[in-house]
Amino acid sequence: GIQVEQSPPDLILQEGANSTLRCNFSDSVNNLQWFHQNPWGQLINLFYIPSGTKQNGRLSATTVATERYSLLYISSSQTTDSGVYFCAVGGYQKVTFGTGTKLQVIP
Amino acid sequence: SQTIHQWPATLVQPVGSPLSLECTVEGTSNPNLYWYRQAAGRGLQLLFYSVGIGQISSEVPQNLSASRPQDRQFILSSKKLLLSDSGFYLCAWSLTGSTEAFFGQGTRLTVV
Repeated sequence: GIQVEQSPPDLILQEGANSTLRCNFSDSVNNLQWFHQNPWGQLINLFYIPSGTKQNGRLSATTVATERYSLLYISSSQTTDSGVYFCAVGGYQKVTFGTGTKLQVIP
Repeated sequence: SQTIHQWPATLVQPVGSPLSLECTVEGTSNPNLYWYRQAAGRGLQLLFYSVGIGQISSEVPQNLSASRPQDRQFILSSKKLLLSDSGFYLCAWSLTGSTEAFFGQGTRLTVV
């Protein structure tokens, strides 16, 4: 099956700092999503981005499908950005998750 | 718009007891449905997925089973729970032909 790796596994940021999270995947995929898991466990959809670049406020994402990676940019981080960020790739019928990046933003 | 409901939110069950977690989707027809488990730590493991009524695919051998008795209903079951079944269970859906997934709020299961 498809392998999905995320880096870094853990990240601590000072409030206001910028960061880049990376997702590498081992095979061609039909889509890619980024999620934020909040402290209550809920998975919040951030981006559906099989290719190209999208922006939503302080967050943006870029997927280069031909090179099998995606990047999530967080600018001017806030404490509410803390949590675990997952990328998930979709092949035929299934969605496979990466291992996640645990982000802690400190005041 | 589409919504997904998953219940209960938390559950504490003794070892050996049965389990039934239910998930329903509103506002769409013939969705793909998924059950994931998140054990200690952060990885999400796909347990089952379904592309239609009565069609269940299992990803890993385990003590659990899934059923889809109606188009928008997905049930996760066990006849006898094990301690290792503890975890956070998430139901998700996607449109037919798509794998853009949307998740329920999850059930935190503790087997004691």
